[in-house]
Amino acid sequence: KQEVTQIPAALSVPEGENLVLNCSFTDSAIYNLQWFRQDPGKGLTSLLLIQSSQREQTSGRLNASLDKSSGRSTLYIAASQPGDSATYLCAVPNSSNTGKLIFGQGTTLQVKP
Amino acid sequence: EPEVTQTPSHQVTQMGQEVILRCVPISNHLYFYWYRQILGQKVEFLVSFYNNEISEKSEIFDDQFSVERPDGSNFTLKIRSTKLEDSAMYFCASSETGIPASYGYTFGSGTRLTVV
Repeated sequence: KQEVTQIPAALSVPEGENLVLNCSFTDSAIYNLQWFRQDPGKGLTSLLLIQSSQREQTSGRLNASLDKSSGRSTLYIAASQPGDSATYLCAVPNSSNTGKLIFGQGTTLQVKP
Repeated sequence: EPEVTQTPSHQVTQMGQEVILRCVPISNHLYFYWYRQILGQKVEFLVSFYNNEISEKSEIFDDQFSVERPDGSNFTLKIRSTKLEDSAMYFCASSETGIPASYGYTFGSGTRLTVV
């Protein structure tokens, strides 16, 4: 059964700092991995999608890497800004690849001005 | 950029009442999903829907829940006889391709359901 864990649960950094969020999954036979952003009380905004054949994906100041063999993904945020404050979720399709996404519990990031 | 639209954004209902949560998926998407997030907990899968039938459902999705695609654009989640523990944020999602979604999933902004 696929399980997804995110560390740390919460992170507080000063503005301008580079930071790394971690996501680990127990079953390495994933098809892809998706990172989402969730603002308080709001919906899920897709940030990056990494296919199993890819090592990383970049969008602006965000870079996501994937190491399937070790069951890990990282989300790197460069030059953090207060507007980056949110909860970041990673999700992978379940082990039987039936379309169901398994989510981590998220990392809540606070970027202080 | 195409969006998944959910209405209402917030619904308060009395315990035992029926509620219908509505979603308009992205127009060329064929696969539809409902997820929910109880406050402070993980986002969890409820049901997937393709070709006018349920593809998969979780243990949470018991007989009090049902889904329907009543026309070519809407996708609804009905909860009969709501319970206090049904209070959560409900997310609709859609994907263009099949299982699993090669291009990822697009989520709506959610409906916050409060059962009192």
